Amino acid sequence: RKEVEQDPGPFNVPEGATVAFNCTYSNSASQSFFWYRQDCRKEPKLLMSVYSSGNEDGRFTAQLNRASQYISLLIRDSKLSDSATYLCVVNPQEERKLIWGLGTSLAVNP
Amino acid sequence: ETGVTQTPRHLVMGMTNKKSLKCEQHLGHNAMYWYKQSAKKPLELMFVYNFKEQTENNSVPSRFSPECPNSSHLFLHLHTLQPEDSALYLCASSQDLSEQYFGPGTRLTVT
Repeated sequence: RKEVEQDPGPFNVPEGATVAFNCTYSNSASQSFFWYRQDCRKEPKLLMSVYSSGNEDGRFTAQLNRASQYISLLIRDSKLSDSATYLCVVNPQEERKLIWGLGTSLAVNP
Repeated sequence: ETGVTQTPRHLVMGMTNKKSLKCEQHLGHNAMYWYKQSAKKPLELMFVYNFKEQTENNSVPSRFSPECPNSSHLFLHLHTLQPEDSALYLCASSQDLSEQYFGPGTRLTVT
C-alpha cells in the first residue's frame, strides 16, 4: 500500500457543482495532515491544514477520519479558478518529514 | 521581498556544466527543503536542513550537493547531471517541520 494515495482523476465538473476528494494514508500514527493546491507549472500552495475536528474555510471543508485513515476535501459551488491539482500531505511525525500524494486533478468547466 | 524566492527560474545546462540553484526565505523559518518534481511522480524530498544542520538526505546522488550557510539561504550545487535530472526543483521552508511554503521553483533542463 502506498504511504499516501489519491485518485489522480481528472475530475471534470461544471461550475457551481460540489466535488469531494479523498486521500488515504498508511501510517496510523500520522499526526498532521494538509491539503495543498498546485496550478499548472507553479509551486504547491498550502490550501488548509486538516484538524481532528475538521475545518472549514469558505467553500472548502476538510475532514479527517482516523478510524478509516483518510482525509477528505469538499469544494462547494466550484469556480473556474478552482481548476488545479490538489495534493494530500501527511506528516508521520516520527519520520520528521512530509509524505506527498500524487495529487488529484480538478477541471471546473463553464 | 516576501515569502520564498528562487533563482534562476529556468536553467538549461549541459551534462558537463556546473551550476547552482539559490533559495532565500523571508519568513523567519528554521527549516528549509529541496524537492524534485518530475512529471507523473509525487514530490520527492531531496534534502532537509533544520537550524542549518542537514537532517535528511534521501539517497540523493552526489552530483547534487546542498549548502545552507544560514537559516535563510539554501543552495543546490549541480555538476555532471544526467538528462533524467531534468525536472522542477522546488525549495520550501517551514517552522519546526510543519506547514511548508514553497518558492516558485527552478525548471531545469539537462541536455
